[in-house]
Amino acid sequence: EADIYQTPRYLVIGTGKKITLECSQTMGHDKMYWYQQDPGMELHLIHYSYGVNSTEKGDLSSESTVSRIRTEHFPLTLESARPSHTSQYLCASRETGSTGELFFGEGSRLTVL
Amino acid sequence: DAKTTQPNSMESNEEEPVHLPCNHSTISGTDYIHWYRQLPSQGPEYVIHGLTSNVNNRMASLAIAEDRKSSTLILHRATLRDAAVYYCILRPQGAQKLVFGQGTRLTINP
Repeated sequence: EADIYQTPRYLVIGTGKKITLECSQTMGHDKMYWYQQDPGMELHLIHYSYGVNSTEKGDLSSESTVSRIRTEHFPLTLESARPSHTSQYLCASRETGSTGELFFGEGSRLTVL
Repeated sequence: DAKTTQPNSMESNEEEPVHLPCNHSTISGTDYIHWYRQLPSQGPEYVIHGLTSNVNNRMASLAIAEDRKSSTLILHRATLRDAAVYYCILRPQGAQKLVFGQGTRLTINP
């Protein structure tokens, strides 16, 4: 069973608010990822990290930002939420290695009113 | 990145085998074939992966064509809990990212 946790699972918030989605893993994985997924649609990579103090933008442009100060923690922040940010955000991690299995959290479903 | 093509949806009956196809005609020699599935309201989970030879694990089997231009995920005896979206993904050796496509939505009838 995957040891990767996301909080909150569900968040409803008003426009203009700052939000942080938390993601933690206890597997000691170097690589961590954030994907965005609208209902019924495919996953899009928005951020990833190779390790502490390393962050990269993914294939889909996003107004969110991420940080990686500790190996186990990879939070995603939206400084000013808008309705267009309404989506599900999925965090994942994996071991270093070309065939490493990707472990996903259960996701954070964000609704911006 | 090499692309994969999967049917949008498939339907099968409980306790019957399911064969989920994936075409990847532009696959290169070092691309691994990965399969993930996503159950409703959950994050994706790893199913299986392979390079050239067929692979079996407790969840499924992966049959890879000799020319590697296609593969098939086999669920030997489907249950209602296997209803999910199944993603076939190519991953170049050493690649850091996994790019998901549309996947196949599998419905299992009781």
